[in-house]
Amino acid sequence: GAVVSQHPSRVICKSGTSVKIECRSLDFQATTMFWYRQFPKKSLMLMATSNEGSKATYEQGVEKDKFLINHASLTLSTLTVTSAHPEDSSFYICSASGQGYEKLFFGSGTQLSVL
Amino acid sequence: QKEVEQDPGPLSVPEGAIVSLNCTYSNSAFQYFMWYRQYSRKGPELLMYTYSSGNKEDGRFTAQVDKSSKYISLFIRDSQPSDSATYLCAMKPGGGNKLTFGTGTQLKVEL
Repeated sequence: GAVVSQHPSRVICKSGTSVKIECRSLDFQATTMFWYRQFPKKSLMLMATSNEGSKATYEQGVEKDKFLINHASLTLSTLTVTSAHPEDSSFYICSASGQGYEKLFFGSGTQLSVL
Repeated sequence: QKEVEQDPGPLSVPEGAIVSLNCTYSNSAFQYFMWYRQYSRKGPELLMYTYSSGNKEDGRFTAQVDKSSKYISLFIRDSQPSDSATYLCAMKPGGGNKLTFGTGTQLKVEL
């Protein structure tokens, strides 16, 4: 299957700082990328959908000013958690699909801990 | 009612057992059905991908879809300790790639 690389795998930051998470499609052009959040022993909660070159579409209840998503190229999308607070601590996962791809491939996830 | 229902488990089986994992759904528009395996603190890994009703086999894994009953299953034969993980069902309509996930079933295969 296609490879999606997510970085960093783990980040610890102080409250009030911003954190950027990168998601790259390594062997295909990702026209659409999705960002999910997952709490312990819970399923994936879709946060937003981003299409290359356009603004992201956020799910209901997700603050677009807090979770900034950029999908500037066909191989890279970034999620920036701005002014992070302890309640933002979670496991964040990206996924990507490409032109003609019916399947969705996931990154390895980023564990964010805000102190 | 959730769109996709999945028993969270945990499900514990002995090594070599046949495992049956299931999901039910309510949205008749779902056309594509997937099973993902997720190890702790890792991203989901696509195991099986099926379109519409029917069976699909890949090694020790068999996926079944019964659209008339809105019921999908994943069978794992000759289960191994390395199969211990959380199994997520996911599905989507014909257009787009926005998936709806089940809550995941935690499986433990014991020696």
